[in-house]
Amino acid sequence: DTGVSQNPRHKITKRGQNVTFRCDPISEHNRLYWYRQTLGQGPEFLTYFQNEAQLEKSRLLSDRFSAERPKGSFSTLEIQRTEQGDSAMYLCASSSHSGANVLTFGAGSRLTVL
Amino acid sequence: GENVEQHPSTLSVQEGDSAVIKCTYSDSASNYFPWYKQELGKGPQLIIDIRSNVGEKKDQRIAVTLNKTAKHFSLHITETQPEDSAVYFCAATDKIIFGKGTRLHILP
Repeated sequence: DTGVSQNPRHKITKRGQNVTFRCDPISEHNRLYWYRQTLGQGPEFLTYFQNEAQLEKSRLLSDRFSAERPKGSFSTLEIQRTEQGDSAMYLCASSSHSGANVLTFGAGSRLTVL
Repeated sequence: GENVEQHPSTLSVQEGDSAVIKCTYSDSASNYFPWYKQELGKGPQLIIDIRSNVGEKKDQRIAVTLNKTAKHFSLHITETQPEDSAVYFCAATDKIIFGKGTRLHILP
């Protein structure tokens, strides 16, 4: 297992387009988290899953954002009708049930909206 | 809601000296306090954590202290080395609410 994998690493898109990011967590981890990080800031919590169930969503996650984890393994984060303010690094992390608080992060997907 | 304040935002120390980064939190129910290190182009990596049933934890050159009464905790790095240069984030609670980070520069 090579850790948490995120794709694509970089995405440049025009305002109004839809984008989708994928996260493959560590295989034995049943919890998966999405964070957003802008320049000079700490990661901001967006949402998390336990297996396939989405247990919590931040108020930061507007109606244009949707996350899924259909089979309890990989997850996707889709942003519809992107806005310039969506430009950020989107980080995925996973953790096991036994070590629920210990997050392993991926390298992130950087989104630039022109 | 939960709030985590971190300071300083930037810290420069001479190689070999110690660095201290401090965080405060608002939710008295918080019981888990990790520290993450983020290098350029990478996601944050856990370097040390502490739970509320202990006041101090040490791992080689890194230590974390916790004062639950005052709701603050600190990261201590001794004998700093060039590879310690990075952004450090504190966090608190189950949802892992992060501070805004401290950019640490180790000066030669």
